[in-house]
Amino acid sequence: GAVVSQHPSRVICKSGTSVKIECRSLDFQATTMFWYRQFPKQSLMLMATSNEGSKATYEQGVEKDKFLINHASLTLSTLTVTSAHPEDSSFYICSAIVGVGTDTQYFGPGTRLTVL
Amino acid sequence: QKEVEQNSGPLSVPEGAIASLNCTYSDRGSQSFFWYRQYSGKSPELIMFIYSNGDKEDGRFTAQLNKASQYVSLLIRDSQPSDSATYLCAVIPKSGGSYIPTFGRGTSLIVHP
Repeated sequence: GAVVSQHPSRVICKSGTSVKIECRSLDFQATTMFWYRQFPKQSLMLMATSNEGSKATYEQGVEKDKFLINHASLTLSTLTVTSAHPEDSSFYICSAIVGVGTDTQYFGPGTRLTVL
Repeated sequence: QKEVEQNSGPLSVPEGAIASLNCTYSDRGSQSFFWYRQYSGKSPELIMFIYSNGDKEDGRFTAQLNKASQYVSLLIRDSQPSDSATYLCAVIPKSGGSYIPTFGRGTSLIVHP
């Protein structure tokens, strides 16, 4: 299957700081990427859909000024958690669709964020 | 509200048995169906996708789709302890041009030796 990478895999930060998470498609161009959040023992929650070269589409209840998404190229999307608080501690996972006209998502390995 | 329902489990089966995981969905016009496996602390991994009614087999895995009854299932033959994980069902609704799936909450599978 297609390979999606995320960096960092784990990050610990102090409350009030900002954290950037990168999501890369390694062997294909991803016009659409998705960002999910998953709390322990809960299901995936879609945060936003990221399209290359345009503004991200956020799901209801997700603060776009707090979770900044940039999809500047066909292989890279970034999620920046601004002014992080302990309640933002979670598992953040990106996914990408391979090519145009297909709808199969491949997930990155995830980033575990801990805000102290 | 488009919904995807899964029994949270856990479903416990002995090693070597067939594990049957079920998923129902509410949007009758749904077109695409996926099964993902998620180990604890890891991200989801695609197992199979299915678009047409009937069965689709890949190794020990068989996906079954019945659009009339609005359910999709995953059978795992010769279950192994390494199959122990949470299995997520994902459905993409009919809305034109949308690639956003709705995920079920997942079914926890435990395969005991």
